[in-house]
Amino acid sequence: AQSVAQPEDQVNVAEGNPLTVKCTYSVSGNPYLFWYVQYPNRGLQFLLKYITGDNLVKGSYGFEAEFNKSQTSFHLKKPSALVSDSALYFCAVRDTGGKLIFGQGTELSVKP
Amino acid sequence: GAVVSQHPSRVICKSGTSVKIECRSLDFQATTMFWYRQFPKQSLMLMATSNEGSKATYEQGVEKDKFLINHASLTLSTLTVTSAHPEDSSFYICSAPGGASGSWSYNEQFFGPGTRLTVL
Repeated sequence: AQSVAQPEDQVNVAEGNPLTVKCTYSVSGNPYLFWYVQYPNRGLQFLLKYITGDNLVKGSYGFEAEFNKSQTSFHLKKPSALVSDSALYFCAVRDTGGKLIFGQGTELSVKP
Repeated sequence: GAVVSQHPSRVICKSGTSVKIECRSLDFQATTMFWYRQFPKQSLMLMATSNEGSKATYEQGVEKDKFLINHASLTLSTLTVTSAHPEDSSFYICSAPGGASGSWSYNEQFFGPGTRLTVL
């Protein structure tokens, strides 16, 4: 079965510093990977996806993610964090029938 | 981008009553929608896949008679929590995949804003 893991429950970053939110995956076949962000009491917003092609994927709000096949990772990154980036971030992998399997989520806190 | 709405955004009900939550794709058709449940600061748990014109597919451990799903049109799926109890209190989120049916795997899902259910 497909699965993703987010090893950090929380990531704390100072505003202006680079941020990384980690995600590792386990899939059979080619992985289709996604990152979503959730603000308090809101639905999820799509950030970016990896289907095929370049390992470095650029997405919304200045985020990017690097697909690393050898390490089975898909870490989310941003060069300079903003306070408004504080939210809950989910990594997900596509399962059969188009379903998404989500990681546990990582709470990102960016302090001024 | 595509928009998915949910109604109501928040509902409080008494134990034993039934609650219906609507999920609509506003500017696109969705033959499939997904229903998730989320506890505070936790991940989304897929409950079921809603299929237009046919029965929903439920994930293991989800009671079909408890969580009734109806996908009567290409833009509307409903989740009815029957005989709700306090343990059903949760945040319920629906989503619909973008793009044509053959490209679901490659396109992101569009999520509704969620419905907060509180059962007293």
